[in-house]
Amino acid sequence: DTEVTQTPKHLVMGMTNKKSLKCEQHMGHRAMYWYKQKAKKPPELMFVYSYEKLSINESVPSRFSPECPNSSLLNLHLHALQPEDSALYLCASSHDGERGNTIYFGEGSWLTVV
Amino acid sequence: AQSVTQLDSHVSVSEGTPVLLRCNYSSSYSPSLFWYVQHPNKGLQLLLKYTSAATLVKGINGFEAEFKKSETSFHLTKPSAHMSDAAEYFCVVSDPTRRQAGTALIFGKGTTLSVSS
Repeated sequence: DTEVTQTPKHLVMGMTNKKSLKCEQHMGHRAMYWYKQKAKKPPELMFVYSYEKLSINESVPSRFSPECPNSSLLNLHLHALQPEDSALYLCASSHDGERGNTIYFGEGSWLTVV
Repeated sequence: AQSVTQLDSHVSVSEGTPVLLRCNYSSSYSPSLFWYVQHPNKGLQLLLKYTSAATLVKGINGFEAEFKKSETSFHLTKPSAHMSDAAEYFCVVSDPTRRQAGTALIFGKGTTLSVSS
């Protein structure tokens, strides 16, 4: 069973709405990630937090805003999304951000933008 | 540049028969290699990981993979398929030239495994 917990599992939002995706891990990991996955494609990295600081933003549009309130929590704030942003959003964590660390994924949040 | 190629986009087997999912990688250095599985409407689950300790890696649910440096391959096998193995499988290489774990992960395009009764 995954130890990365994501809520909600499903979210439908309009293009003018503001919503948030939440992620929690209790493995003591110090690196947390957001990935976006479209159907039948591998996940694409969006953001990396290392020791609660944003270390990588893979040129993600500003309508996606990450937040790391503490070492166990990671949020993704959504505002003014487009229908093409509909996807599975995966949260993940690893011991730290160093290369070679195993990355553990959550179950994902299915987002539909209408 | 590092890369990973999953040689089959779709593999179909009968329940009880062996499973072989093929993965080739290119790397100038000794890589870390992973197999992840994604069941329908689920997240990614780590099946197994190779980090140079042993060339034959055993994972969960009866899966194993063998690292063959001479062939630059890391094929995933299972002796006997079960219906519950039907899923998407991703071969992943960690690029040793990149420092950060997230940016270092290079995913293959995935192989869909179908299991018939």
